[in-house]
Amino acid sequence: GAVVSQHPSRVICKSGTSVKIECRSLDFQATTMFWYRQFPKKSLMLMATSNEGSKATYEQGVEKDKFLINHASLTLSTLTVTSAHPEDSSFYICSAGRDRNSPLHFGNGTRLTVT
Amino acid sequence: QKEVEQDPGPLSVPEGAIVSLNCTYSNSAFQYFMWYRQYSRKGPELLMYTYSSGNKEDGRFTAQVDKSSKYISLFIRDSQPSDSATYLCAMSAPDDKIIFGKGTRLHILP
Repeated sequence: GAVVSQHPSRVICKSGTSVKIECRSLDFQATTMFWYRQFPKKSLMLMATSNEGSKATYEQGVEKDKFLINHASLTLSTLTVTSAHPEDSSFYICSAGRDRNSPLHFGNGTRLTVT
Repeated sequence: QKEVEQDPGPLSVPEGAIVSLNCTYSNSAFQYFMWYRQYSRKGPELLMYTYSSGNKEDGRFTAQVDKSSKYISLFIRDSQPSDSATYLCAMSAPDDKIIFGKGTRLHILP
């Protein structure tokens, strides 16, 4: 069964609004979770590393004020897309591993459409 | 040279054939190797996880690591239409971030 749960699977919102995506590790505690973005038929693009109890680490070119990440507990990280624009429409995927040398398990992704 | 190279395909093979998917890498510190399968509009699913060199078999899937050549492979026997997906290789050095290949799109033709 799934070890990482992501919600919602699909969301449609209007330009200017904010959207929150949740990522939960179901049977292990994850001090670190990862957020990716994926365009159709393209590879995974790492956006940021979510660290429990501290600030997220963002990849170059990713706006931290636009993509807010909160890792409030060892089993939950959230990504909030603020003031969404149509160009933010994409597939967002989270992942987590049991420890630093374990493979990552992915959520099933969230398809965001901004109208 | 990119850290991980993977042919994007698409790769089309007839049902029942043996599929060979490959990745090459440049970082000799990589010790953990993974293969993921991703269906359209879904998150990647872990298929195989190996440590260091050698072979690992799980059902119709065999993962092979050749550290001397910096080359990893995933073999799929008796391929089926349901195997049609994008396959991503991934690897990491100890205590370091996981690096993904760009994925190979595979089509199994019925």
